[in-house]
This record gives sequence, C-alpha cells and structure tokens, in this order.
Amino acid sequence: AAGVIQSPRHLIKEKRETATLKCYPIPRHDTVYWYQQGPGQDPQFLISFYEKMQSDKGSIPDRFSAQQFSDYHSELNMSSLELGDSALYFCASSLEGDREDTDTQYFGPGTRLTVL
Amino acid sequence: GEDVEQSLFLSVREGDSSVINCTYTDSSSTYLYWYKQEPGAGLQLLTYIFSNMDMKQDQRLTVLLNKKDKHLSLRIADTQTGDSAIYFCAAISGYSTLTFGKGTMLLVSP
Repeated sequence: AAGVIQSPRHLIKEKRETATLKCYPIPRHDTVYWYQQGPGQDPQFLISFYEKMQSDKGSIPDRFSAQQFSDYHSELNMSSLELGDSALYFCASSLEGDREDTDTQYFGPGTRLTVL
Repeated sequence: GEDVEQSLFLSVREGDSSVINCTYTDSSSTYLYWYKQEPGAGLQLLTYIFSNMDMKQDQRLTVLLNKKDKHLSLRIADTQTGDSAIYFCAAISGYSTLTFGKGTMLLVSP
C-alpha cells in the first residue's frame, strides 16, 4: 500500500539558512500533520491542514510556515535556522470521515534536518 | 491539555510477554494509539483502540483500556528480538492532533 512520502530524507543546513521540507500524503488522504522530534524526545505537534486550510496549530515557531496545496501535498518552510532546529521532522496524513480509522495518522519516514 | 505518561524502559527475554503501560489525562480522548519506532526510523502505527472499547486484539498484540483510570496497556505475546524498539503511546487531543508519551524502550534479549 502507498505510504506517506517525505523529501528530502536528510538535509544539512547552516545557521540562518532556509529549508523546505515536502510531504506527499497517502492517496485520498485530505489531512496533513507536521511533527518535530528532537534527539531522544517524543514527537511534538507543529501544525496541521485539512482541505488546504490550517486546522490546528501547535508549538510551531514563527520562523516556520507551512501550507497544503491543491494536490494535498504539503511543504514546511523553515527560515533563519538555528542549531536547536536540528531534529527529525515527520509528516503524517489521515482521512476525515466516518470510518473506524477516521483520523488515524500514518507517518512518513521523516526528514532528518541537521543545522551546523 | 492532554498529558501522556509511560514507563521509560522495559527489558524482557525472547519468548516472554511484554506489557507496556501508559496513562493519559484527557478523558475526552476518543482514540488511543500505539506506535513503534526503530532507531533512526519513522513511526509505525501498530494498533489503536476507540475509547468505547476496553480490549482489542490483533495477532500478537493486545490493547487494554481502562477508561475510568485513564490507563492503556500494550501486551506483546511471544516477544521477539525484532520487537526491540521504542513504543509510543499517543492520544488524540485538540482538533485531531496526537499527544505522545515519552516512549518506552523495549529491549528483548535472546
């Protein structure tokens, strides 16, 4: 079965640079979530989109922005990168509806961002 | 907001059963999930349980939910070395966002 695709898988940036992470949800999924997982930490929710509109917002820094496009893929844009932004960034997708597994989030493999 | 707690470490021998426990605070959580993460890898959905259920079985996995005590457990029968990983308990909070526990590292020795 098709899974969530994230690109790139690894990214190395310098401080104060910008980065763009991409996420392609499971086909027919209409909701995308972004999470940040620091070393040895649990994933922390950043932001989510449903049908191209922001649906919820977590601990996303103002330096970060995200959007969901008409084909449901999403991009997380990160500017003025700091050392503390080094983490694994996960995208997850889900399908709204009345099924038993409604809202069940399926995660991509993650993008490992290293800021030097 | 939601707060999810888990024990941090569990060590078992191959063939034994493993039980990983989790507590949560938000009684309105509708779904509770277990995810598995191997080193450097993504989060693999293992199973989930709806809040109106008290048990769910899926092959070697059994999930027990005590809604009164807000306690969730994951039992892995006949644990194998390939089950060694970090297991995250997660609860739905807010619109549909997941709040994770800190993760339980399961170490299975031969």
